[in-house]
Amino acid sequence: RKEVEQDPGPFNVPEGATVAFNCTYSNSASQSFFWYRQDCRKEPKLLMSVYSSGNEDGRFTAQLNRASQYISLLIRDSKLSDSATYLCVVNFRAGGTSYGKLTFGQGTILTVHP
Amino acid sequence: EAQVTQNPRYLITVTGKKLTVTCSQNMNHEYMSWYRQDPGLGLRQIYYSMNVEVTDKGDVPEGYKVSRKEKRNFPLILESPSPNQTSLYFCASKKQGASYNEQFFGPGTRLTVL
Repeated sequence: RKEVEQDPGPFNVPEGATVAFNCTYSNSASQSFFWYRQDCRKEPKLLMSVYSSGNEDGRFTAQLNRASQYISLLIRDSKLSDSATYLCVVNFRAGGTSYGKLTFGQGTILTVHP
Repeated sequence: EAQVTQNPRYLITVTGKKLTVTCSQNMNHEYMSWYRQDPGLGLRQIYYSMNVEVTDKGDVPEGYKVSRKEKRNFPLILESPSPNQTSLYFCASKKQGASYNEQFFGPGTRLTVL
């Protein structure tokens, strides 16, 4: 089983739609969680961190469920510019107090069409 | 401008010819890391460094070496490249001290080994 798993999609949605992505992780010692966005052939960029209480940034809402070991990202009122690959990222404890190991899901492809 | 730079951006080489991909950051970050990205496999961590002279293996370290002699630089060395190391490589850095610090990525190096 992969340490971090995402549905690769692709998700094709019309403008204005609401779309949700899920991500599951296997290591219960995971410490911190993120969603990154990657445009075609470009570097990943942080979209938002995911906190235990859930958090929102404009049209984006992230949730964390530690008991079930999954993370979600909800995008409301999708825009054409939201088309990208969304990467779930988990920071695992790598022995002792080291938090250096980051594991990426394979990414979920989103295409928003007119 | 705060950034992570990588050189070269594109490289075509032949099997067995040693090469180095440089990575430099100007944000005084303690943590630096190398990833490779392959279709269907996502981003996988090769090596990371929590500070100067401290390096650790990620998920796929075989065939790679790194060094961290200075805080700003973290070169990736392929002593004897092979075709299975053809990939898109990203360097990243982040400030240590909090598990939710953002990781900043370089623009990527596309390597082809013939």
